[in-house]
Amino acid sequence: EAGVAQSPRYKIIEKRQSVAFWCNPISGHATLYWYQQILGQGPKLLIQFQNNGVVDDSQLPKDRFSAERLKGVDSTLKIQPAKLEDSAVYLCASSPGGPPADTQYFGPGTRLTVL
Amino acid sequence: AQSVTQLDSQVPVFEEAPVELRCNYSSSVSVYLFWYVQYPNQGLQLLLKYLSGSTLVKGINGFEAEFNKSQTSFHLRKPSVHISDTAEYFCAAGSYNTDKLIFGTGTRLQVFP
Repeated sequence: EAGVAQSPRYKIIEKRQSVAFWCNPISGHATLYWYQQILGQGPKLLIQFQNNGVVDDSQLPKDRFSAERLKGVDSTLKIQPAKLEDSAVYLCASSPGGPPADTQYFGPGTRLTVL
Repeated sequence: AQSVTQLDSQVPVFEEAPVELRCNYSSSVSVYLFWYVQYPNQGLQLLLKYLSGSTLVKGINGFEAEFNKSQTSFHLRKPSVHISDTAEYFCAAGSYNTDKLIFGTGTRLQVFP
């Protein structure tokens, strides 16, 4: 069974530029999550999708971050414009059902550096 | 609000020694608890989880954890560590009233030969 795929693995941009990350979850998983992991901290949930609907985006900075999940499968996370404090690893995860009891399967992450 | 505290940011240990990574949570309702491991440049991988039932949970790679409701703890243990156990370990908690996982800040386990 293929795992969660993410691309790119690394991205370096200058502040005020835009960037997009892509995630392909495990086939058949209904729930998809985007986390932000700042160096030295645990992952923080940005947004959670159930199929193609948003369940929780309470911690997504909506003035600059946006996310969509087309046809309930792949998802993209965009930052526009980026700030220095957005430097982090962005993790995508998926689960067959929803939290809190379901195991989440994580992709390798995208490491974003904002200069 | 629910929170997860990992008391040690780093734990150095020699190979074949036992190790305990500490985790405390705060929640006023039924809680589900997880331990994830993150190897360098990789995503998180589930080690074990507690949903209900037996308070001693066994996971992969010889790890186990014990749920202690009175002390609100879920400490991770391994009787004999290997060099390959060097990684970042995250404790996480979820409950139906929050419908999301809250992660601790992580504990870096460094195993020396």
